[in-house]
Amino acid sequence: EAGVVQSPRYKIIEKKQPVAFWCNPISGHNTLYWYRQNLGQGPELLIRYENEEAVDDSQLPKDRFSAERLKGVDSTLKIQPAELGDSAVYLCASSLLGQGVSYEQYFGPGTRLTVT
Amino acid sequence: AQSVAQPEDQVNVAEGNPLTVKCTYSVSGNPYLFWYVQYPNRGLQFLLKYITGDNLVKGSYGFEAEFNKSQTSFHLKKPSALVSDSALYFCAVRPYSSASKIIFGSGTRLSIRP
Repeated sequence: EAGVVQSPRYKIIEKKQPVAFWCNPISGHNTLYWYRQNLGQGPELLIRYENEEAVDDSQLPKDRFSAERLKGVDSTLKIQPAELGDSAVYLCASSLLGQGVSYEQYFGPGTRLTVT
Repeated sequence: AQSVAQPEDQVNVAEGNPLTVKCTYSVSGNPYLFWYVQYPNRGLQFLLKYITGDNLVKGSYGFEAEFNKSQTSFHLKKPSALVSDSALYFCAVRPYSSASKIIFGSGTRLSIRP
């Protein structure tokens, strides 16, 4: 079974430039998450989708960050314009939500963003 | 506020010795608890979970964790550490009120010396 796929793995951009990250979740998983992880810290949730609906985006800086989940499958996270403080690893995860099933999340390898 | 705490930034253990990585939580209702491991330049990997039932749960790579409701703890344990266990470990909790949101701790770096 293929895992969560993310691209690109690494991205270096200058501040004020736009950047986009792509995520393909595990087939059949109806819940998708975007996290930001700073060095030496735990992941912090940015946005959570259940199917196509963003059910929790309270931690997403909406002035510069946007996300979408097309047809309830793939997802894109965008930053425009990027700031120096956005340098971090952006993790995508997916899980299967439903009665009688477990709730663990499966993570992709992440995209390491460096803003210079 | 709902939260999870990992009180130790780093744990150092000699190979072959038992290891414990501590985790305490604060959520309303019955929690769902998880442990994840992260190797360098990799995403998080699921180790084990507690949903209900037996307080001692077994997971991948010989790890186990004990749920203690009275102490609101979910410590990760392994009877005999391997050098390859060296990694960053995260405890996580799913609040009862949320269908899918999981809150992560700040992580504990486990270092196993030969």
